[in-house]
Amino acid sequence: QQQVKQSPQSLIVQKGGIPIINCAYENTAFDYFPWYQQFPGKGPALLIAIRPDVSEKKEGRFTISFNKSAKQFSLHIMDSQPGDSATYFCAARYQGAQKLVFGQGTRLTINP
Amino acid sequence: DAGVIQSPRHEVTEMGQEVTLRCKPISGHDYLFWYRQTMMRGLELLIYFNNNVPIDDSGMPEDRFSAKMPNASFSTLKIQPSEPRDSAVYFCASSPTGGGQGYTFGSGTRLTVV
Repeated sequence: QQQVKQSPQSLIVQKGGIPIINCAYENTAFDYFPWYQQFPGKGPALLIAIRPDVSEKKEGRFTISFNKSAKQFSLHIMDSQPGDSATYFCAARYQGAQKLVFGQGTRLTINP
Repeated sequence: DAGVIQSPRHEVTEMGQEVTLRCKPISGHDYLFWYRQTMMRGLELLIYFNNNVPIDDSGMPEDRFSAKMPNASFSTLKIQPSEPRDSAVYFCASSPTGGGQGYTFGSGTRLTVV
């Protein structure tokens, strides 16, 4: 059973466009929602994270939008660049625990 | 800091053989996690440790898998006997208490069982 559902599986965007990746969850016991970026042959790396008492967080060109009532959150990449081409994972952490559960991942391609 | 170090980077073994994957976490991180990544199942948590003690091993697929953390700077994941369906990329990650900085992942071990 997938505890964090991520969509789309793959996404192709032209340079300068704004790719949006969506995630949804059911378990209200999650208290921390990070996004990870993974390049081929590398481990995932933390990109940006949000807590459920905040509706939006920006770091550079990356923005997380969080809708607590709908149990959904999304990643937006402004002014996307070919170097942003990677696989992106959303995740959720159980309150009081350290373990993360991950979405299935989105393979993002930014065309020049 | 060199980050989380995993070895070997690649491992090819025959079905039935024992495989041992190794991990050195970041110094000062008191949590260590083992994940498995496949196309079909994505990133799955296998087991995690806190201060060298296993906290949750509910993700370990079966008795063929075992993990140890004899000290704060070393952990192993062992598969005995290995099967072709164990082929995957295995990641080790570490984090400090609170995890506000998130996990730091190693570069992974790509295991192929033939």
